[in-house]
Amino acid sequence: SQQGEEDPQALSIQEGENATMNCSYKTSINNLQWYRQNSGRGLVHLILIRSNEREKHSGRLRVTLDTSKKSSSLLITASRAADTASYFCALTSGTYKYIFGTGTRLKVLA
Amino acid sequence: DAGVIQSPRHEVTEMGQEVTLRCKPISGHDYLFWYRQTMMRGLELLIYFNNNVPIDDSGMPEDRFSAKMPNASFSTLKIQPSEPRDSAVYFCASSAAGGTYNEQFFGPGTRLTVL
Repeated sequence: SQQGEEDPQALSIQEGENATMNCSYKTSINNLQWYRQNSGRGLVHLILIRSNEREKHSGRLRVTLDTSKKSSSLLITASRAADTASYFCALTSGTYKYIFGTGTRLKVLA
Repeated sequence: DAGVIQSPRHEVTEMGQEVTLRCKPISGHDYLFWYRQTMMRGLELLIYFNNNVPIDDSGMPEDRFSAKMPNASFSTLKIQPSEPRDSAVYFCASSAAGGTYNEQFFGPGTRLTVL
């Protein structure tokens, strides 16, 4: 299916450490987005990477995309307690229909 | 802008009752999406609209579910009759046209509990 699968499902780190989560998918895509969801809230867009891009940065976020391996990674550097949330990748193959992955639950310990 | 507005925020109802969820997208956005989120199934796209017209409703689980968008500033998702397995958080999101690269803005969600 088009759905991305995040890995790991859950991640617990100490404040100040880097957090890396991965998204793998099976079909070709046009672009891939990462979203964050705080407990009990809606999703918030973090960053978008297009299929012809390999890496993008936004503040403490770094996203990579490897279309040959059909995978993307989200790196959060110098994590903070406020980064505790679930992170989702969302894929589209050319329409406005985005399919969200299963999510990674990140817990940053102060 | 106030962002995407959903109402109610919480809904508790009994099996068999009709449930109507409401959404007001961000002004000027051409696309509106309805999602359902559960622990078991994750975030599922139910249906999305473009310029008030349903484009893809393949995610609507059953005939018990229906969605409408009578105008650019309002959409409803109706479940009739409701069942306990419909319990979930329902999100509405909107985005602007202009290519395939636009982010979606999510509402706070409606937590539905069907007893």
